[in-house]
Amino acid sequence: QVQLVQSGAEVKKPGASVKVSCKASGYIFTSYGISWVRQAPGQGLEWMGWISTYNVNTNYAQKFQGRVTMTTDTSTTTAYMELRRLRSDDTAVYYCARAGGWDDAFDIWGQGTMVTVSS
Amino acid sequence: EIVMTQSPATLSASPGERATLSCRASQSVSSNLAWYQQKPGQAPRLLIYGASTRATGIPARFSGSGSGTEFTLTISSLQSEDFAVYYCQQFNDWPPLFGPGTKVDIK
Repeated sequence: QVQLVQSGAEVKKPGASVKVSCKASGYIFTSYGISWVRQAPGQGLEWMGWISTYNVNTNYAQKFQGRVTMTTDTSTTTAYMELRRLRSDDTAVYYCARAGGWDDAFDIWGQGTMVTVSS
Repeated sequence: EIVMTQSPATLSASPGERATLSCRASQSVSSNLAWYQQKPGQAPRLLIYGASTRATGIPARFSGSGSGTEFTLTISSLQSEDFAVYYCQQFNDWPPLFGPGTKVDIK
């Protein structure tokens, strides 16, 4: 079946980096892009950006420009999101989601990866 | 950027009742709007896209309507599994922001 499976929970210190993976299966990987969305504890959904798995074009939310890098590996059908210079307010669940383009609805979601930033 | 607002913040209702959730955009998003459902501890699930098209496997009791700046998600008869948080999201303009959500809880 179509699914996105994300890597496990992470605990990081302020200033460190985290890289979350999102393994896709059950569909043609390069036919859909991947968006990343995060959710701080008890808060709403925040769109971080989108990457084309076809041509690796990216589209990042202004808030994360310079701190986030989204990549893909078509050989393993895996997308990655790296966030650098972590702060305590980056503590959140990070989701990947399938989307044809940055302007398409997210029809399949990963299970989420909890990232905790604490000294 | 287009700001999305949702009302009410919390809707208390009983099973079997009709629920009407509103989403408003700060400028027109045409019909480029989606609705998601999120239950505690779970990832969001796509319910509606294109303002009114149900996603695969979504029951017919969920319906979406509206265009431009005003949108509505209607649950015709609440089931126990429908008590959750509902988010709208616009796709007409970058960035594709979410609304703050409406929590539907049991009265």
